[in-house]
Amino acid sequence: ELKVEQNPLFLSMQEGKNYTIYCNYSTTSDRLYWYRQDPGKSLESLFVLLSNGAVKQEGRLMASLDTKARLSTLHITAAVHDLSATYFCAVLEGGGADGLTFGKGTHLIIQP
Amino acid sequence: DTEVTQTPKHLVMGMTNKKSLKCEQHMGHRAMYWYKQKAKKPPELMFVYSYEKLSINESVPSRFSPECPNSSLLNLHLHALQPEDSALYLCASSRLWSGESNQPQHFGDGTRLSIL
Repeated sequence: ELKVEQNPLFLSMQEGKNYTIYCNYSTTSDRLYWYRQDPGKSLESLFVLLSNGAVKQEGRLMASLDTKARLSTLHITAAVHDLSATYFCAVLEGGGADGLTFGKGTHLIIQP
Repeated sequence: DTEVTQTPKHLVMGMTNKKSLKCEQHMGHRAMYWYKQKAKKPPELMFVYSYEKLSINESVPSRFSPECPNSSLLNLHLHALQPEDSALYLCASSRLWSGESNQPQHFGDGTRLSIL
C-alpha cells in the first residue's frame, strides 16, 4: 500500500521567513504533485514533478523531487500572508488513469 | 473559476433520499475521478473512469453509484446515505493520451454534502 507522509502537518510562521515542507512516499513512482487548498475551496495544482532531480519554481514557492530518497520538498521563500493555505503533496502510482494518493497536508499560517 | 464544473455546490439530504451529484468538463480529458474529502483530511479516491468506463472502484459502498454518460459528464448517484457520508465530494479530470498522462488532475469546486 502506497503511503505518503508530509511534515510538518501544521506550520505557523512570520512573513519574510523561509521554510520547507517535506513529503516522503513509499513507492518507486516518479510522479509527484503539489496542490494548494484554501479553506472551503477546491485544490489548485502548483507543481508537477516527473523525474529525479526535477526542480520547479513559481514565485516564492520552489518544489524539488529526489526519487532515490523518495522525497519531495516545497520551499517557501520570504513568506507572505497570501501563501496561507493547506498544501498537499500527492503521488501517482499507476500508469494511465490512476487516483492520486495524498499526504495529510500541511496547514500553513503566515502571520504579519 | 475552475474548468471542472460541479453541481450542486451544497446539498442537504435525508438518509432515505435519492440525489445525484454532477460534474462536467470540456477540456477533452478522458479520465475522470470522484474523491471524498472529510474536514481537515486529504481527499480520498472513490472512483476512476477511463474512456467512459469504470476502471477503479476503491471499495466504495454501493449506496454510491457512479455513472459516466459521455466523455464530458460524470455523475454520482446517492441513495440511503449515512451521516458519516457528509463530506466534500470532489470531481477531477485529466488527460490520458500517451505523453500527457502525467499532467495534473484538475479539480472542481466540489459539492458539500450534509446527511441529516
